[in-house]
Amino acid sequence: GAVVSQHPSRVICKSGTSVKIECRSLDFQATTMFWYRQFPKKSLMLMATSNEGSKATYEQGVEKDKFLINHASLTLSTLTVTSAHPEDSSFYICSATPGQYNSPLHFGNGTRLTVT
Amino acid sequence: GDSVTQMEGPVTLSEEAFLTINCTYTATGYPSLFWYVQYPGEGLQLLLKATKADDKGSNKGFEATYRKETTSFHLEKGSVQVSDSAVYFCALRKAAGNKLTFGGGTRVLVKP
Repeated sequence: GAVVSQHPSRVICKSGTSVKIECRSLDFQATTMFWYRQFPKKSLMLMATSNEGSKATYEQGVEKDKFLINHASLTLSTLTVTSAHPEDSSFYICSATPGQYNSPLHFGNGTRLTVT
Repeated sequence: GDSVTQMEGPVTLSEEAFLTINCTYTATGYPSLFWYVQYPGEGLQLLLKATKADDKGSNKGFEATYRKETTSFHLEKGSVQVSDSAVYFCALRKAAGNKLTFGGGTRVLVKP
């Protein structure tokens, strides 16, 4: 079945530094990728939608300058948390779809970010 | 806008008990409906889906039927196992490539 690989699975960084999270579709071309953030014991909040070769569309309230998303190829999207702060600590999950009608979304295993 | 409402947890059950997690949705048009499962420390896995009214999705003993008249997609399993302990998310999706709208998640804990 379709696989989405997300890396790293865990990362700890110091406040003020930037962290990059990668999301790769391993056996299909992902025309669209989504980035979610999950707070403890909460649901997933969609942060942004990225289409290959174009700018990401951010959800209301998500700072696009803080959460930089790049979808430069059909198999890779990256999320960079810039100038991270402790409140950015969270579980980030990406998902990808080939975009065909009714094709399912495939999720990565998530990245646990801890900012100290 | 679109929304998904599911019962709050946690739901605590004994092994072999019957599980029901209610899910209702609000959406225009004809969304596809999904149940995802998240095991501790992991991402989401698709459990089952239904793409049109009266469809029944099933997988690993879980079932859910797309009820357009009641705008519901309740998840059921007749006999749960300890390994079913997880968080379950109901979700809807309007079209290919479009985003998933998730419910709040229901934590299920199955005790031996």
